[in-house]
Amino acid sequence: DAGVIQSPRHEVTEMGQEVTLRCKPISGHNSLFWYRQTMMRGLELLIYFNNNVPIDDSGMPEDRFSAKMPNASFSTLKIQPSEPRDSAVYFCASRPTGTGSNEQYFGPGTRLTVT
Amino acid sequence: AQSVTQPDIHITVSEGASLELRCNYSYGATPYLFWYVQSPGQGLQLLLKYFSGDTLVQGIKGFEAEFKRSQSSFNLRKPSVHWSDAAEYFCAVVWMDSSYKLIFGSGTRLLVRP
Repeated sequence: DAGVIQSPRHEVTEMGQEVTLRCKPISGHNSLFWYRQTMMRGLELLIYFNNNVPIDDSGMPEDRFSAKMPNASFSTLKIQPSEPRDSAVYFCASRPTGTGSNEQYFGPGTRLTVT
Repeated sequence: AQSVTQPDIHITVSEGASLELRCNYSYGATPYLFWYVQSPGQGLQLLLKYFSGDTLVQGIKGFEAEFKRSQSSFNLRKPSVHWSDAAEYFCAVVWMDSSYKLIFGSGTRLLVRP
C-alpha cells in the first residue's frame, strides 16, 4: 500500500510568493495532520483534520497560513505571502479510522526554502 | 503541562554495542507512547508503540522499549547496534484526554562508530 504522499519534495521560492504544499493521506484514514519541523522548534503540530473538518488549528502560526481538506484523499497547506522564517520541513501525517491506537503515519515531507 | 523529554541530544555508540535512548514524559493522564525514527532527508517511521498490556514492547529493526509508569519513562533499547541505525529518534506521546495531539520530544541523534 502507498504511504502518505506529499508534493513537492522540495520547494524554493522567493519571499512574498505563494506556496502550496500538497498531501494525499493513506486510503481509509480519516484523520490528517500537518506538522512543521525546524531546528529551533522541533516538530510542531500546525493543524488537525478529522473527516475533512479542521478540528484544531491553534498551531497555525498566523493568518498567512491556511489549510484545506476538500475531500478524504487530499489536503493543502498554503502560505501567502511566504517569508524566510517559514523555511522548514513540512510533514503531513494520517491516522487510521477508529482503531483507538492514535498512531500516525508520516509522509516524506516537503523541504521549503524561502529566500 | 504536557511535555516529553529526551535528555540526550546526541549519543555515539560503536557498532555492535548496546543502545538505550531515554524518554520521560510529564502529565497525569494515561499515555499512549511511541518511538519514531527519522533518517536524514526522510520522514518519520514508526518503530514501536505502547498502549496497554505488557510493558515491554517489541518493534521493527530489533528495537524494544519498556514502559515504566512509576518513572514516567519509555526508554528505547537495542542489544546490538548496526551502522544503518544512525538516525534521529523521537519519542512521542498522546494523552488519553487529548486523543489526537501527538507531543514529540526534541529528538536524540544517534551516531554509530564503525
